[in-house]
Amino acid sequence: DVKVTQSSRYLVKRTGEKVFLECVQDMDHENMFWYRQDPGLGLRLIYFSYDVKMKEKGDIPEGYSVSREKKERFSLILESASTNQTSMYLCASSLRAWDGYTFGSGTRLTVV
Amino acid sequence: KQEVTQIPAALSVPEGENLVLNCSFTDSAIYNLQWFRQDPGKGLTSLLLIQSSQREQTSGRLNASLDKSSGRSTLYIAASQPGDSATYLCAVRLRSGGYQKVTFGIGTKLQVIP
Repeated sequence: DVKVTQSSRYLVKRTGEKVFLECVQDMDHENMFWYRQDPGLGLRLIYFSYDVKMKEKGDIPEGYSVSREKKERFSLILESASTNQTSMYLCASSLRAWDGYTFGSGTRLTVV
Repeated sequence: KQEVTQIPAALSVPEGENLVLNCSFTDSAIYNLQWFRQDPGKGLTSLLLIQSSQREQTSGRLNASLDKSSGRSTLYIAASQPGDSATYLCAVRLRSGGYQKVTFGIGTKLQVIP
C-alpha cells in the first residue's frame, strides 16, 4: 500500500513565524495535494502539484506557498503564520490525475 | 459548481445493525466517487473508489453504490461494530476540468453503540 507520511501530527507556532509542513509519499505518485479541513467547511484545496517543480493554486492559496523539489516530497509553507491558519492540514497523493486519493495522517496546526 | 451533500450529519445506531450512509451530488458528469472514513484527529482512509462506469463496489462488510442519473451514492455497512464509529466522507471528481475538480462532502459522523 502507498504510504503518505506527514512529518508532524501536532504543531504550535507563533503569529508571524514561517512554518513548513512536510509530506512524503513512497509509491512514485505523480500528483500531490495539500488540503485544510475546518469544521463546517470541509476540505478545501490549497495547492497541488502534478510533477516535480510544478505547482498549481487551489481554492485558497493566499498566505501559502509550496515546494516540490523531488517527486516524493511536497512541502507546504506558511510564509507568515496567522491565527486564521489554525487548522488540520492534510496531504494526499494519487498515481494519475484521475485516480483516487491516498491521504496522510494529518497535521493539526495551532497558531497562537 | 459541484455541490456534495451528506445527510444525515450524524447517526447513532446499536451494534449489529445494518446501515446506509448517503452522498448526493448536483453535477452528474463525474469521473469517479470515493468514500473515506476519518477517525477523530486523523487523516482520511480510503474505503472504496467507484468509477463512473461502475454501479457498485464491495469490500468486506462495505458496499458502495453509484447512481449518476439521480446524483446519489450510498455506502452500506453490514452488521455494524463499535470500531466502525468514525466520520464518513464522500469525494466526487468531475469528468471535466482540472485537478482541482474534486469536491468533498462534510461527512456523516457515525456512532455505533455497543
